[in-house]
Amino acid sequence: QQQVKQSPQSLIVQKGGISIINCAYENTAFDYFPWYQQFPGKGPALLIAIRPDVSEKKEGRFTISFNKSAKQFSLHIMDSQPGDSATYFCAAGEETSGSRLTFGEGTQLTVNP
Amino acid sequence: DTGVSQNPRHKITKRGQNVTFRCDPISEHNRLYWYRQTLGQGPEFLTYFQNEAQLEKSRLLSDRFSAERPKGSFSTLEIQRTEQGDSAMYLCASIRAGNTDTQYFGPGTRLTVL
Repeated sequence: QQQVKQSPQSLIVQKGGISIINCAYENTAFDYFPWYQQFPGKGPALLIAIRPDVSEKKEGRFTISFNKSAKQFSLHIMDSQPGDSATYFCAAGEETSGSRLTFGEGTQLTVNP
Repeated sequence: DTGVSQNPRHKITKRGQNVTFRCDPISEHNRLYWYRQTLGQGPEFLTYFQNEAQLEKSRLLSDRFSAERPKGSFSTLEIQRTEQGDSAMYLCASIRAGNTDTQYFGPGTRLTVL
């Protein structure tokens, strides 16, 4: 059972544009929602994360919006740059399940110069 | 470098052979996770340890897979009688128990089974 659904599968934006990636989850016990960035041949690296007690978190050009009632969260990348071209994964974790993460399917972002 | 390290980075083996991967977590992290990632997919949880105790195993972890963390530091993941379907990136991550803010991933071991 896929517990975290991510869309779109791929995304192409122009330099300076806004990239938006969406995720939806099913398990209401999830209490931690990170976004990871992965470059080819590398392990995932944490980008930004949020807990369900806040609706938005911003770090630099990256913002997470969280809607607890809809069980959805999204990543916004402002002023997208070619260096942001990578695969992005949303994930969800639950402390009572040992904090193991359930990942979405990934979004391949391409930022054209 | 104080990050999570994994060895080898790449492994090519023939079907039916056994392989073993190693993960060295960040030194003060007592919780260690193994994930598997196939091409075009997100990582999938396999198992995790708190100190030397293996606390959970995914149904993805067949009997051919075994993981150990004998002294609560490094961990090994062994796959016996490899199959072509085992070809994937095997990722290790570590965290300090009780701190869910950041799960640090290693660079992974890419396994190719011919």
